[in-house]
Amino acid sequence: DAGVIQSPRHEVTEMGQEVTLRCKPISGHDYLFWYRQTMMRGLELLIYFNNNVPIDDSGMPEDRFSAKMPNASFSTLKIQPSEPRDSAVYFCASSPPGRVGVETQYFGPGTRLLVL
Amino acid sequence: GQSLEQPSEVTAVEGAIVQINCTYQTSGFYGLSWYQQHDGGAPTFLSYNALDGLEETGRFSSFLSRSDSYGYLLLQELQMKDSASYFCAVLSASKIIFGSGTRLSIRP
Repeated sequence: DAGVIQSPRHEVTEMGQEVTLRCKPISGHDYLFWYRQTMMRGLELLIYFNNNVPIDDSGMPEDRFSAKMPNASFSTLKIQPSEPRDSAVYFCASSPPGRVGVETQYFGPGTRLLVL
Repeated sequence: GQSLEQPSEVTAVEGAIVQINCTYQTSGFYGLSWYQQHDGGAPTFLSYNALDGLEETGRFSSFLSRSDSYGYLLLQELQMKDSASYFCAVLSASKIIFGSGTRLSIRP
């Protein structure tokens, strides 16, 4: 299995631009998670889906952030408009059926976002 | 509120044993997990405890005491490659919370 796939791996953009991060979970996994990691705030859960349905989006910072999961094999995290404080590493993770929550999450390599 | 506490840094000697503690304050607790993250890498799953007691996986063990809201990760026969950050994480009432991480440094 290829593992969780994220794209792009690196993104540099200017303040005010729209940023779209993409994730392909491991085939057969029905949970998908989006995280943000910074030195200041650590690893934060932004949102997670189960069977393509958002379960908890309380971690989404504000209306500039949105996430979708149109099917079992693809999810996007969009920031519009982007701001310098959004600079971080964004991880996508997935977990198999029956493994609820933190149990056995498989993380993608992350997208390193820099907003100038 | 909900919170997890773990030491920010721990230093140990190669070949030794080290314990990383995690205390939590949550409602509706379901389980405690541990993840390892090397610099520049992604977190990788190490262990999960839903019930009290010790879970052993090779050189790594994890312990949970639900009554004390406390758990720890035990690393034995430390190797230089174990130098990394270690995160505890809990599932509580559909909320997933990660600790701030413990940076483990290993000396030869």
